[in-house]
Amino acid sequence: DAGITQSPRHKVTETGTPVTLRCHQTENHRYMYWYRQDPGHGLRLIHYSYGVKDTDKGEVSDGYSVSRSKTEDFLLTLESATSSQTSVYFCAISAGLAGAEQYFGPGTRLTVT
Amino acid sequence: AQSVTQLDSHVSVSEGTPVLLRCNYSSSYSPSLFWYVQHPNKGLQLLLKYTSAATLVKGINGFEAEFKKSETSFHLTKPSAHMSDAAEYFCVVSSNTGGFKTIFGAGTRLFVKA
Repeated sequence: DAGITQSPRHKVTETGTPVTLRCHQTENHRYMYWYRQDPGHGLRLIHYSYGVKDTDKGEVSDGYSVSRSKTEDFLLTLESATSSQTSVYFCAISAGLAGAEQYFGPGTRLTVT
Repeated sequence: AQSVTQLDSHVSVSEGTPVLLRCNYSSSYSPSLFWYVQHPNKGLQLLLKYTSAATLVKGINGFEAEFKKSETSFHLTKPSAHMSDAAEYFCVVSSNTGGFKTIFGAGTRLFVKA
């Protein structure tokens, strides 16, 4: 299995609080991604990174920010969590972009009450 | 614009019978196409991918898919289902022309009956 870990694996938080999810890889892959998974929607891309300090928005980026200060770490921040952000969040990595296989982490289940 | 439609939200088959999971796509550019599988409470794993080489793509665990440009389809098949194939399957279209985009279908849950 690709070396991808996500922390925390589960989190319950209250509306309006900030939340940061961490993705850590040991594969030295250039590209990293954050997705959310909701029933009936498959996975939707939130943000992705194509290098240290280089990030871009995905399909559902509103309410989320990201940072990548090291190749191995990609952080997803919800500045002020809302109930609509209750979801399962997956991190993924790849060596290339559109044509490359993505390797997924185990996921983080976030509940906003 | 890109989009992916998985035509069945649920498919139920008996063990040992063929599997067909249907996927239609729309893309303004030559896309890459993927099928991923997700077992309960797990991350996603690549089954196979198409990136403009052979139109019949073979993947892991006996799965294969055929890219049909004229029908804009990328259906996933397996000749004989196993109980371990019960999972959710996602069709994905991706391109980097005009900006990177990757779109997942809503998923098809496969049930395998003994």
